[in-house]
Amino acid sequence: SQKIEQNSEALNIQEGKTATLTCNYTNYSPAYLQWYRQDPGRGPVFLLLIRENEKEKRKERLKVTFDTTLKQSLFHITASQPADSATYLCALDDGNNRLAFGKGNQVVVIP
Amino acid sequence: NAGVMQNPRHLVRRRGQEARLRCSPMKGHSHVYWYRQLPEEGLKFMVYLQKENIIDESGMPKERFSAEFPKEGPSILRIQQVVRGDSAAYFCASSTQTGVQETQYFGPGTRLLVL
Repeated sequence: SQKIEQNSEALNIQEGKTATLTCNYTNYSPAYLQWYRQDPGRGPVFLLLIRENEKEKRKERLKVTFDTTLKQSLFHITASQPADSATYLCALDDGNNRLAFGKGNQVVVIP
Repeated sequence: NAGVMQNPRHLVRRRGQEARLRCSPMKGHSHVYWYRQLPEEGLKFMVYLQKENIIDESGMPKERFSAEFPKEGPSILRIQQVVRGDSAAYFCASSTQTGVQETQYFGPGTRLLVL
């Protein structure tokens, strides 16, 4: 069956350190993968999109990698700040022009 | 430039009642998507609409749920005869074009509680 797996345990990280989140998928062949941020009680906010032929994408303090062989994407927040505390969602195209989302991974940046 | 708007933000219904959730896409966006987020679950695609057309409703439960996006006015997600299992956050998203490479802009969601 198709799965998108993100770590269910919250990532607690000291301010200033790099937070790294993992998104693993099974039985998908996505041409695109997206990362969103979701704060409590709010809708997801788009952060980054990476294509299957791109290894890495950066936006300010964010970096995303996409390894289609490992079927994995890594999401990095460098120089993390308390304002980065949120849940981060991985989403990929399911082959039918729809987005399929992981459950999300919570990040808590400790001052 | 207002973002995606959804109302109501919170909705309480008793079992058997109807729930109507509204979504106004961003200005200039003609593609609307509805997702459901159950507690401790990820967002699940429900339906994709363009003006006056349902393009993909493969994620919609076969019964009690319907969606529309009329020529004028917001998109409506309608749940008839609600049951407790319908309690969830319902998010609407919009985009300028179709395709999973297009950024989807999400609204704040409607939190439905069925008593």
